[in-house]
Amino acid sequence: EIVMTQSPATLSVSPGETATLSCRASLSASSNLAWYQQKPGQAPRLLIFAASTRATGIPARFSGSGSGTEFTLTISSLQSEDFAVYYCQQYNNWPITFGQGTRLEIK
Amino acid sequence: QVQLVESGGGVVQPGRSLRLSCTASGFAFSSYGMHWVRQAPGKGLEWVATISYDGTKQYYAASVEGRLTISRDNSKKILFLDLSSLRAEDTALYYCGKDGLQYSGTYTDYWGQGTLVSVSS
Repeated sequence: EIVMTQSPATLSVSPGETATLSCRASLSASSNLAWYQQKPGQAPRLLIFAASTRATGIPARFSGSGSGTEFTLTISSLQSEDFAVYYCQQYNNWPITFGQGTRLEIK
Repeated sequence: QVQLVESGGGVVQPGRSLRLSCTASGFAFSSYGMHWVRQAPGKGLEWVATISYDGTKQYYAASVEGRLTISRDNSKKILFLDLSSLRAEDTALYYCGKDGLQYSGTYTDYWGQGTLVSVSS
């Protein structure tokens, strides 16, 4: 099983600044990595798939990078609606596995 | 537009069974793999099971294998999750999701709003 580890657990950033979230895989996930955003009381929303491809309707301020075991989600010019919990997920191997999440909070 | 509506959740005693359903619309259901993902109260996302577009392949998390069964009815566009021998740790919001690629098992590009399963005596 590929274990996904996200860091930090909580990230405090001011609106307008840039947030950098990390996700590490215990084995190579190639580029088969997705990022999701989840707000309280809502279902997750797909942001990024294939490590760096934005999903339909996702603003350009969200970008993903990395391959193998190291991945990054960068959110530039943070807006109030971006403060949420973010999860990475690998789908390179069964079982599919998620990271534990990073909570992005307003500083 | 893609819509996924889960149903069937509720309060159930330990050891009992439950069937969850997910009714799909707005896409070619029979061409996409489907997923169940759950989220315990206050916790993160946990992948539970995936079924191939034609129902011939199923994949399960180790924590649920043998107790949960994923299935689908392509003629009615419904995804199912049968839960048996339920335990307290199965208490969670269960989401169904559509796979992002045709004929594949990958990421989830659309999610339902979830149905809550609470296992308690």
